[in-house]
Amino acid sequence: GAGVSQSPRYKVTKRGQDVALRCDPISGHVSLYWYRQALGQGPEFLTYFNYEAQQDKSGLPNDRFSAERPEGSISTLTIQRTEQRDSAMYRCASSSGQSGVGELFFGEGSRLTVL
Amino acid sequence: EDQVTQSPEALRLQEGESSSLNCSYTVSGLRGLFWYRQDPGKGPEFLFTLYSAGEEKEKERLKATLTKKESFLHITAPKPEDSATYLCAVEGGTSYGKLTFGQGTILTVHP
Repeated sequence: GAGVSQSPRYKVTKRGQDVALRCDPISGHVSLYWYRQALGQGPEFLTYFNYEAQQDKSGLPNDRFSAERPEGSISTLTIQRTEQRDSAMYRCASSSGQSGVGELFFGEGSRLTVL
Repeated sequence: EDQVTQSPEALRLQEGESSSLNCSYTVSGLRGLFWYRQDPGKGPEFLFTLYSAGEEKEKERLKATLTKKESFLHITAPKPEDSATYLCAVEGGTSYGKLTFGQGTILTVHP
């Protein structure tokens, strides 16, 4: 597709379960970012990749959160042993890496609800 | 730690009534300041990048300006389709690749 694709769009899970959120960036985009957005707030940085290398994971809240991008394209954000406070919209973005890191193309997001 | 504060939180305008949104920031060495537009249920959409004080960018009815402490998004003669949340973000000198966003300004333009 032409844009950043995220799946699932909606995920409802029970506390303690693991979830995996997938991001398929724009074809050819070098950089991939994960953000989390609470209702009424701006996105909050989680982590980012250049190609397959994770460059910065300082925004991951704790060690239950991890992300990978093994072949430099699709990325997965995994949350283990989910808690209610993990409920949020998780947004993926990509950039070509040629216009500066700020020109990000965001996907529609994956809304996670932990019961 | 980079910080961004946007004001007002919400702004209601009549169609054609020009106004400005404010973004105040604190960073250690600004790499760039960015404006995004976000429609309900959608991801943010890139509008502008500003790199240095005095720089201005324009797009249709929107004009973004930058000083050493803040940025303004000026909206001239807005239309109802300009209604959205406008987000400001910064990339600091010690935070390469990481954008810090403000909480956004919700703009509503009434016909």
